[in-house]
Amino acid sequence: ILNVEQSPQSLHVQEGDSTNFTCSFPSSNFYALHWYRWETAKSPEALFVMTLNGDEKKKGRISATLNTKEGYSYLYIKGSQPEDSATYLCAFITGRRALTFGSGTRLQVQP
Amino acid sequence: SAVISQKPSRDICQRGTSLTIQCQVDSQVTMMFWYRQQPGQSLTLIATANQGSEATYESGFVIDKFPISRPNLTFSTLTVSNMSPEDSSIYLCSVEQRDYGYTFGSGTRLTVV
Repeated sequence: ILNVEQSPQSLHVQEGDSTNFTCSFPSSNFYALHWYRWETAKSPEALFVMTLNGDEKKKGRISATLNTKEGYSYLYIKGSQPEDSATYLCAFITGRRALTFGSGTRLQVQP
Repeated sequence: SAVISQKPSRDICQRGTSLTIQCQVDSQVTMMFWYRQQPGQSLTLIATANQGSEATYESGFVIDKFPISRPNLTFSTLTVSNMSPEDSSIYLCSVEQRDYGYTFGSGTRLTVV
């Protein structure tokens, strides 16, 4: 059984604050690590697909890093906005192509 | 990226009955995945469905409880059989979009009473 852990479980920040979350995963049999944003009543939306150790990816105010040797990834949000409020999920993939999800970090950004 | 139409979006069902969830993809895909999120839990893979072969179920999930059909490369159904309150969950179908992550249906929120 693969163990993918995310921390913190939830986070409340003020608009304009920067924040980051952690995802830890097994360092063996690594294929890829994904980050998703899941807003209430919507589908999970892919943010990043990360495959190489040392990968750094950025989309607007959101960025992510990957360390496959030690089995962790960080997601950063710079200058949080209320529309960033969502659950952020990381998912680990092996060669079988199926996703093993962490339990998510629930972010609430107060205006 | 692919667009998935999933229905129903929500349902309230009596225990002992069955519900079939449908996912229609706007392009042909080899594998479709079915997930469940029970309250307070993470998304968990139920099974992988390939066209023309039996679905592959994860540990803890069995075909009699969650039969899956995959009649062609754009469509799949998941049935939740003989439901109990423990089956109350969000059910999601998903397809892989190489290099772009996975695309998900909009989800089915099931409540069993």
